[in-house]
Amino acid sequence: EAGVVQSPRYKIIEKKQPVAFWCNPISGHNTLYWYLQNLGQGPELLIRYENEEAVDDSQLPKDRFSAERLKGVDSTLKIQPAELGDSAVYLCASSLSLAGGMNEQFFGPGTRLTVL
Amino acid sequence: AQKVTQAQTEISVVEKEDVTLDCVYETRDTTYYLFWYKQPPSGELVFLIRRNSFDEQNEISGRYSWNFQKSTSSFNFTITASQVVDSAVYFCALSEAQGANNLFFGTGTRLTVIP
Repeated sequence: EAGVVQSPRYKIIEKKQPVAFWCNPISGHNTLYWYLQNLGQGPELLIRYENEEAVDDSQLPKDRFSAERLKGVDSTLKIQPAELGDSAVYLCASSLSLAGGMNEQFFGPGTRLTVL
Repeated sequence: AQKVTQAQTEISVVEKEDVTLDCVYETRDTTYYLFWYKQPPSGELVFLIRRNSFDEQNEISGRYSWNFQKSTSSFNFTITASQVVDSAVYFCALSEAQGANNLFFGTGTRLTVIP
């Protein structure tokens, strides 16, 4: 079974440029997460989708970050314009969420963003 | 509010030594879940274990074992007879039942196993 796929794996851009990351979750997983991981830190949730709906985006900096999950499958996270402080690893995860349960999240390899 | 503390930033051990990674958590929920993930140099977080707050039984899986103690709010992870392949960053994480499955991670412990 294929895992969570993310692309690109690495991205280097200059500040003020836009950038987009793509994630394809494990087939059949209804919940998709985007996390931000700064160097030396644990991942922090940016946004969580249940199917097509963004059910928790409280930590997403909405002035420059946006995300979408059309058709409830793959997802795109965008930053426009990028700032120096956005340099980090962006992780995507997915899970099969059932009512009343807590299922483990499966993570992709991440996209390492460097903003110059 | 939830919080996960991994006080050990870095640990180095010689191969075949045992090592324990500490995790202390804070939560007001009575129902919650605790996790350990491994992050090797490749960057992908690998799920190791999930425990719910009602199950305090210790668990062993091969060379890995976990000690969950609600009295001290700790969920420690021990690797027995460490191997070089165990070198990675290990994260402890908490999910509250009221938090809709969102994971809150600690800052991680970098384990280096020296051959």
